[in-house]
Amino acid sequence: QKEVEQDPGPLSVPEGAIVSLNCTYSNSAFQYFMWYRQYSRKGPELLMYTYSSGNKEDGRFTAQVDKSSKYISLFIRDSQPSDSATYLCASPGGSYIPTFGRGTSLIVHP
Amino acid sequence: SQTIHQWPATLVQPVGSPLSLECTVEGTSNPNLYWYRQAAGRGLQLLFYSVGIGQISSEVPQNLSASRPQDRQFILSSKKLLLSDSGFYLCAWNVEGASTNEKLFFGSGTQLSVL
Repeated sequence: QKEVEQDPGPLSVPEGAIVSLNCTYSNSAFQYFMWYRQYSRKGPELLMYTYSSGNKEDGRFTAQVDKSSKYISLFIRDSQPSDSATYLCASPGGSYIPTFGRGTSLIVHP
Repeated sequence: SQTIHQWPATLVQPVGSPLSLECTVEGTSNPNLYWYRQAAGRGLQLLFYSVGIGQISSEVPQNLSASRPQDRQFILSSKKLLLSDSGFYLCAWNVEGASTNEKLFFGSGTQLSVL
């Protein structure tokens, strides 16, 4: 079992929809969680970073962590075509090297 | 501010030819440096990481090697490319410490096609 699991998608939604992207992890040592956004043929960029359980909001993006169920989510409100990308979740675990999920491909169509 | 440069953006090489991809980081000292490969439709595969000059750790034994000749320079090499070396190569850096909490920052990537 991979330490960080993500459904690869693709997830296709209409413009304006609320998007929910999810990851599960298996290592209880994971304390920090990150979401990266990767456009096609580009390097991933850090989108959200969170430490504790609960929600963290940044504009249209909300990261949610539930450590009791080892479940992390990224919500995107009022999704735009420019949000079409692959979203990767990651956690450093017990080291400084993050473990990445495979990424979920999101398509927002006008 | 810190920036990471990676080149070239695209590379087409014949099987059996050598490879050299370069990555440099500006605006920070003693970064941890990483090389990842991302095959089509697959996740990020960590190839090498380095915590200092001349210090290289290999995660996946294969046809590639890495070197760190200077503090902020990381090079990925191969003496003879294989078809299976095709992929999207990413350089990344972070600084271990409580203030940065192991956030990883990526370069723009190199799309390598071995034909």
